[in-house]
Amino acid sequence: AQSVTQPDARVTVSEGASLQLRCKYSYFGTPYLFWYVQYPRQGLQLLLKYYPGDPVVQGVNGFEAEFSKSNSSFHLRKASVHWSDWAVYFCAVTRTGGYKVVFGSGTRLLVSP
Amino acid sequence: DAGVTQTPRHEVAEKGQTIILKCEPVSGHNDLFWYRQTKIQGLELLSYFRSKSLMEDGGAFKDRFKAEMLNSSFSTLKIQPTEPKDSAVYLCASVGGGQNTLYFGAGTRLSVL
Repeated sequence: AQSVTQPDARVTVSEGASLQLRCKYSYFGTPYLFWYVQYPRQGLQLLLKYYPGDPVVQGVNGFEAEFSKSNSSFHLRKASVHWSDWAVYFCAVTRTGGYKVVFGSGTRLLVSP
Repeated sequence: DAGVTQTPRHEVAEKGQTIILKCEPVSGHNDLFWYRQTKIQGLELLSYFRSKSLMEDGGAFKDRFKAEMLNSSFSTLKIQPTEPKDSAVYLCASVGGGQNTLYFGAGTRLSVL
């Protein structure tokens, strides 16, 4: 069965420091992978998505993620975190033409001054 | 373009009441989803519509939860009767244009007393 694991429920990073949020997926076939962000009292918004091709994908606000088939991972990175990045980040997976999106449990990012 | 609109933003109900949550998807989107979001369970799929046809009704949520898509631009989620364990954020999302990207509304926060 397909699944997504985000092993870190909470990550604290100092403003200006680099960030990596981890995501591991279990999927049969070719996955489409996503990172969504949820700011306080809002719905989820797409940060970036991976379709088969270049393993490094760029997203909004300086975020990028790298797909690794060998490690079954899709980690999210940012070189320099801003206080406005304080949010919950969700990794998700689906398939071509599929509707069933499987979400991870989310990682809450806290940014310290 | 208008995004996904959900009303109301907040709902307070007493145990046993019937409540109806509303969703307007992005114009032109054919797929509509209802999710429930809680801290413990994360994001759970309640129902999925494709071109107004119910494709999935969320299994465990069948007995008291009923989603309908009255036309291509309006959906409702009825919970009858409500129970305190239904307290959660209910998110509506739509997909269209051959993309896999989910566009989420801001959600309805339901509190059942």
